[in-house]
Amino acid sequence: EVQLVESGGGLVQPGGSLRLSCAASGFNFSSPWMSWLRQAPGRGLEWVAHIKEDGSKKLYVDSVEGRFIISRDNAKNSLYLQMNTLRAEDAAVYYCALGDGAVWGQGTLVTVSS
Amino acid sequence: DVVVTQSPLSLPVTLGQPASISCRSSQSLVSGDGNTYLYWFQQRPGQSPRRLIHKVSNRASGVPDRFSGSGSGTDFTLKISRVEAEDVGVYYCMQGTHWPKTFGQGTKLEIK
Repeated sequence: EVQLVESGGGLVQPGGSLRLSCAASGFNFSSPWMSWLRQAPGRGLEWVAHIKEDGSKKLYVDSVEGRFIISRDNAKNSLYLQMNTLRAEDAAVYYCALGDGAVWGQGTLVTVSS
Repeated sequence: DVVVTQSPLSLPVTLGQPASISCRSSQSLVSGDGNTYLYWFQQRPGQSPRRLIHKVSNRASGVPDRFSGSGSGTDFTLKISRVEAEDVGVYYCMQGTHWPKTFGQGTKLEIK
């Protein structure tokens, strides 16, 4: 069974940093693109970042460009999102997803507040 | 960014009746490789989104055949032939042809 399990969310002050992780199982992790998406409370969905199979290409939505870094460790079947200089508007449930959203994790909540 | 617009935003439906959601994009979703990367997702209350349809009309594994997708270019539709209680939730269309990938606002389906 394909599974994605996010972790690392929590409460952080504005300007702070957080690193999210996503543990994958049940498929060949080194094959597909992987992504991070987010959903602010009571809001819609936003695609945050996307990384190629070998990590050679990364794409970011404009609102996080220069602050967030997506990375992967294919040997550890893991996806990461380093979030720096966090703002109130970054508060959301963050999901990792396989490819074009074929499978999603359960999400991890990030709260940005002083 | 490509703007994706769904309608209606609220959809009250009687059990057993059909339902239809429209999705329009501000640009053509036909990719250079000839594919059209338009997807439909379902998000049940308290759950993560689940992909129903990929590339306009292909049902994901395990998705009941009462769900169908159609359309081309900039206009797309998700149809549910007979709504069941488990279909309650928010439905999103998403374009994956242009970066950043963008979602519609969501359509909340409820039972009358």
